[in-house]
Amino acid sequence: GENVEQHPSTLSVQEGDSAVIKCTYSDSASNYFPWYKQELGKRPQLIIDIRSNVGEKKDQRIAVTLNKTAKHFSLHITETQPEDSAVYFCAAKGNTGGFKTIFGAGTRLFVKA
Amino acid sequence: NAGVTQTPKFRILKIGQSMTLQCTQDMNHNYMYWYRQDPGMGLKLIYYSVGAGITDKGEVPNGYNVSRSTTEDFPLRLELAAPSQTSVYFCASSYSSSGANVLTFGAGSRLTVL
Repeated sequence: GENVEQHPSTLSVQEGDSAVIKCTYSDSASNYFPWYKQELGKRPQLIIDIRSNVGEKKDQRIAVTLNKTAKHFSLHITETQPEDSAVYFCAAKGNTGGFKTIFGAGTRLFVKA
Repeated sequence: NAGVTQTPKFRILKIGQSMTLQCTQDMNHNYMYWYRQDPGMGLKLIYYSVGAGITDKGEVPNGYNVSRSTTEDFPLRLELAAPSQTSVYFCASSYSSSGANVLTFGAGSRLTVL
């Protein structure tokens, strides 16, 4: 089945710097790659996603890139702000076997003011 | 719309007890999921359902059971609770397709087994 690995597990940046979180997936049939943000004590919420037929997608300060050949995808946050502090999860959804969404282990991002 | 509603929010169980976590959604989503999140960890898929009457195992199904008699409801049953089942449980739903699959999560149910 699908396996998603995420790095780093913890990331600390200064306000205004950029943050990059990287993920790899194992199932070449996966075709949808969402990113979720989870604030402390809250439920995960989608912040951006990318489909397998697209290499890059941007939404204001966040962007996601996908390298299908290498089975890598990354989240980029520019001009970080303290309210970006949260846990970020990458995920991959397969195109067969019930379309399951499998999550990475998460990255705890700290943005220092 | 209420979205995805989970009950209870908190529960303490003794080892060996059983209980059911309730999940209901009012968005007419066909797919529903149960994930568990251990402290400081990621989301692990327990069971999922592609529609009423159809369920399948996820990554960590042992010790749990589910049923899906209606589109709206997807209860998770814990039989013979063990300390290893102490976790936060999230129910989620989506319109699934061969393309995008945005999950809407419930607020979570925090379970402690002592």
